[in-house]
Amino acid sequence: GQQVMQIPQYQHVQEGEDFTTYCNSSTTLSNIQWYKQRPGGHPVFLIQLVKSGEVKKQKRLTFQFGEAKKNSSLHITATQTTDVGTYFCAEANSGYALNFGKGTSLLVTP
Amino acid sequence: NAGVTQTPKFQVLKTGQSMTLQCAQDMNHEYMSWYRQDPGMGLRLIHYSVGAGITDQGEVPNGYNVSRSTTEDFPLRLLSAAPSQTSVYFCASSSAGKGYEQYFGPGTRLTVT
Repeated sequence: GQQVMQIPQYQHVQEGEDFTTYCNSSTTLSNIQWYKQRPGGHPVFLIQLVKSGEVKKQKRLTFQFGEAKKNSSLHITATQTTDVGTYFCAEANSGYALNFGKGTSLLVTP
Repeated sequence: NAGVTQTPKFQVLKTGQSMTLQCAQDMNHEYMSWYRQDPGMGLRLIHYSVGAGITDQGEVPNGYNVSRSTTEDFPLRLLSAAPSQTSVYFCASSSAGKGYEQYFGPGTRLTVT
């Protein structure tokens, strides 16, 4: 399947700093889903974006879908230690089988 | 609801052995999938099913078989285990009625020696 590229691979921040991870594709994405995986856990769904230019917020998390539907971002404002984990973007091919990026691992130091 | 359950949680196999990873969901989701997760590789799709009796291959299907005789169950069979199949395996289910949000099981950590 087409590659969904995710950067950076790792990010280490001090608690209270902001964090952003980016998801890029060379072709138009039909949709983008974001998941969070805590260390030792399983991926948990955060949100799905479908429309060009869409912006959604969940408390300190802001998700954006690019105008050309070739990129997406997840921004966390004022990180907390509970934000530690790996964040994945994924395109839902045909809706039900996901093509994942390789993830961004976030470490937050108190 | 238990959601998506997987057994076993851990398994060690010798090269050449076969085994079945079990996956069940009680949400009446029509879609089910198997992924493997390796360090630095993200999650890669092995096989998926769009309903009972219908399965298809994902990105990395070699060495694995699946079947879907009921809506609830989607077992993954390793035919002849190889060290390259050492990984964490996740089963997931989803439904068009839920916007294709994937619900993942807790995973099976498999080591092949």
